[in-house]
Amino acid sequence: EPEVTQTPSHQVTQMGQEVILRCVPISNHLYFYWYRQILGQKVEFLVSFYNNEISEKSEIFDDQFSVERPDGSNFTLKIRSTKLEDSAMYFCASRGDRVMNTEAFFGQGTRLTVV
Amino acid sequence: EDKVVQSPLSLVVHEGDTVTLNCSYEVTNFRSLLWYKQEKKAPTFLFMLTSSGIEKKSGRLSSILDKKELFSILNITATQTGDSAVYLCALNNAGNMLTFGGGTRLMVKP
Repeated sequence: EPEVTQTPSHQVTQMGQEVILRCVPISNHLYFYWYRQILGQKVEFLVSFYNNEISEKSEIFDDQFSVERPDGSNFTLKIRSTKLEDSAMYFCASRGDRVMNTEAFFGQGTRLTVV
Repeated sequence: EDKVVQSPLSLVVHEGDTVTLNCSYEVTNFRSLLWYKQEKKAPTFLFMLTSSGIEKKSGRLSSILDKKELFSILNITATQTGDSAVYLCALNNAGNMLTFGGGTRLMVKP
């Protein structure tokens, strides 16, 4: 069964460092997302990506964040200068084909710990 | 702003019990409501609901949507210890993102 894969599963970084979280969405999907979940809190939307550009982003997704689809398979989230409050589980998700109303499939997540 | 509220926050039952999880919402432009199960890491998809009154069923799990009263329920019958998880309700609006509720943590004891 196709799945969304994320690497690494856990990353520890020092405050102020840049991190890149990687995702390989399901191959025929067209919509890609990043969500995050701070420990004990809700899953929160960060950004959606379609047709090689950001289609929507939340208030959380400020100038410290960027996304990229550098080739035909990877989808990355970069945090330029990490802060302690960026510590969270980051989930990548992908969705459908051209039908808008399909479910999103989530990866297993990357646990980011900023120290 | 879209809003999703789930209740109860947590629930402890014994194997064989039936549980009902609730999700109420406020939305500007409704597209669908989804239920996910989150065990240790990734939310895994359970149901997507778009129309009122039509029950979706998968084994012991079922779900229904009421678009007039703006809520959905997820039922689990004959619960098993493997059902222990956080159950997430999420709203898909006319934009391109999911708004999640805070989840219901279900613990099923043997």
